[in-house]
Parts: sequence; structure tokens; C-alpha cells
Amino acid sequence: DGGITQSPKYLFRKEGQNVTLSCEQNLNHDAMYWYRQDPGQGLRLIYYSQIVNDFQKGDIAEGYSVSREKKESFPLTVTSAQKNPTAFYLCASTPHWAQPQHFGDGTRLSIL
Amino acid sequence: AQSVTQLGSHVSVSEGALVLLRCNYSSSVPPYLFWYVQYPNQGLQLLLKYTTGATLVKGINGFEAEFKKSETSFHLTKPSAHMSDAAEYFCAVKGGTSYGKLTFGQGTILTVHP
Repeated sequence: DGGITQSPKYLFRKEGQNVTLSCEQNLNHDAMYWYRQDPGQGLRLIYYSQIVNDFQKGDIAEGYSVSREKKESFPLTVTSAQKNPTAFYLCASTPHWAQPQHFGDGTRLSIL
Repeated sequence: AQSVTQLGSHVSVSEGALVLLRCNYSSSVPPYLFWYVQYPNQGLQLLLKYTTGATLVKGINGFEAEFKKSETSFHLTKPSAHMSDAAEYFCAVKGGTSYGKLTFGQGTILTVHP
């Protein structure tokens, strides 16, 4: 079945450490997105990519980085510059900007 | 610029009662509107969408929503609540252009009592 796979499901970060969240899709979608979800705040856009080798900052990109070297993969790195990284991170994709986004099952990041 | 306001962070209904989740939006261009549902520790699942055409939109699991341009609203309804409807619901708006991003409301947690 086609879908979006996020891994790991749970991740723990030590102070000063960078961690990378994986997002892989086999839907052949061009556009991919990363969101951060905090209780009572809905979803906020971190980064998005409309095509391979191209990506743009969203509303809360500070302390995060991404790459898009392959169509099916859009990893997110949470750097040590992100001072409040504890959240639920969701990856999404869509075949066209006018179509709904499909979501993965998320990665929950916590601080040790 | 665009924004979404979901009225009521928590809604509680009895099983079999009407479900009404409110969503108001603002958009400087004709909007595309979506409702998503999220179960604990899972991603978001699309319930329904409005792009163009018929203003009453039917979705999965018996949900529907009506786009009212004059009221800038897109409220979600279901005639009879089921225990399995208990979840968090998100309304989202996208400007109808290729540069429009998807903006989410803060979410409404629906509780269904037996």
C-alpha cells in the first residue's frame, strides 16, 4: 500500500545534539511538508519542498534544516539551535498544490 | 494572508446526538477548505474538502460541511455521534493559488459520552 512512513516513532535528544527525523513516501508525490504540533496550537509549518533539490522555509524554520535529494525522501534535522524541540512532528505530501495533503503517523521528540 | 479559528477547543456530546464543530476562516483569495481528524499519536486523516462547486460537501464516516462565503464559515456536522468519533478535529484553509500554504486551526477535541 502507498503511504508515508515516518521513523522513528519516538526519539529522545540530549542537550547540544542534532537529531534527524525520517520521512519516506511511495506515493510519487512532488510536494512534501514538515509540521510541528504542540498541544492547543494546531500544526505549524517548518519547511516544505515542491520539487527535488528545492525547499523553502515555513513559519517556524529556525533551528531546523532539511534536504530533498530524492523525490521520495524529505528528512528533517532538529539542530541544537532549536531550544524547545519537544513536540510531535508530522510529515505530509501532496501530488499537487490544490490537492489535500496526506500525513504520516508522526514522530514524538522529547528531551533527555 | 489567511487564518482559521475553531470555536471551542473541547466539545462534548452524547452518543446519538448531533455533532457540530465550528470553523471560521479568513482568506484574501477564494479558499480551499479541509477538515482533518486525528486520533491519539497518529497522523491526520482527511475527512472532507471544499475546492469549488457544491457548497455542501460530504465526507467519510457520515460527516459533512457547508461552505458559507457570506459567513466565512465551514462548520463540520454529523447527525448522530458514535463513540468512535471521539478524536481531535482540525479545520484548514489554503489560498486558491499555487503559492498558498495550508493554515490550520488550533483543533477541537470531541468527546462522546455513552
